Amino acid sequence: DAKTTQPTSMDCAEGRAANLPCNHSTISGNEYVYWYRQIHSQGPQYIIHGLKNNETNEMASLIITEDRKSSTLILPHATLRDTAVYYCIVTGGQAGTALIFGKGTTLSVSS
Amino acid sequence: GAVVSQHPSWVICKSGTSVKIECRSLDFQATTMFWYRQFPKQSLMLMATSNEGSKATYEQGVEKDKFLINHASLTLSTLTVTSAHPEDSSFYICSAERGTGHEQYFGPGTRLTVT
Repeated sequence: DAKTTQPTSMDCAEGRAANLPCNHSTISGNEYVYWYRQIHSQGPQYIIHGLKNNETNEMASLIITEDRKSSTLILPHATLRDTAVYYCIVTGGQAGTALIFGKGTTLSVSS
Repeated sequence: GAVVSQHPSWVICKSGTSVKIECRSLDFQATTMFWYRQFPKQSLMLMATSNEGSKATYEQGVEKDKFLINHASLTLSTLTVTSAHPEDSSFYICSAERGTGHEQYFGPGTRLTVT
């Protein structure tokens, strides 16, 4: 079973920041938080991951709370192409560790 | 970037026949690959973990004799759906892990329709 809880859906206006929350209250010390997204009928795309520090890359920022029980994925300037299902996944991060997908959040970006 | 391909992208087969799906990591070597299945409007469900040179590890409820997995090289894993039935119709997706890195890279998926 997935170890995370996400809202079912969210809406965002194009050009605005999209903030996607994720609860992972049972996360253990050596587990990482990963974010992937899936655009309709395509394979999932890696976005970002983190352990306890906030992370930023060219796609997004990941903010992890100090107690690590929740996190937020931030898309700073959402575009229509960011419409997708976003999955927050907690896993050990070791090589060969499978990803267990929950239901994710369907983000709809509109103009 | 890391690219994973799947072939075919879609396939239609008759009930009772077998179908092979290939998953290739094009620009990196993958000791471990994963196979997922996704039904319409549902999330991805892990089927099995495929390790190069050894037997695959199947998730509970996935029949290993029906879904044959072979990971003969560091760049290729195959999934064969044997004696396919209409209920096997689904979107099959593979992923590959690059070295000991944290990112998994997913293929574009294969749409299987069994008639």
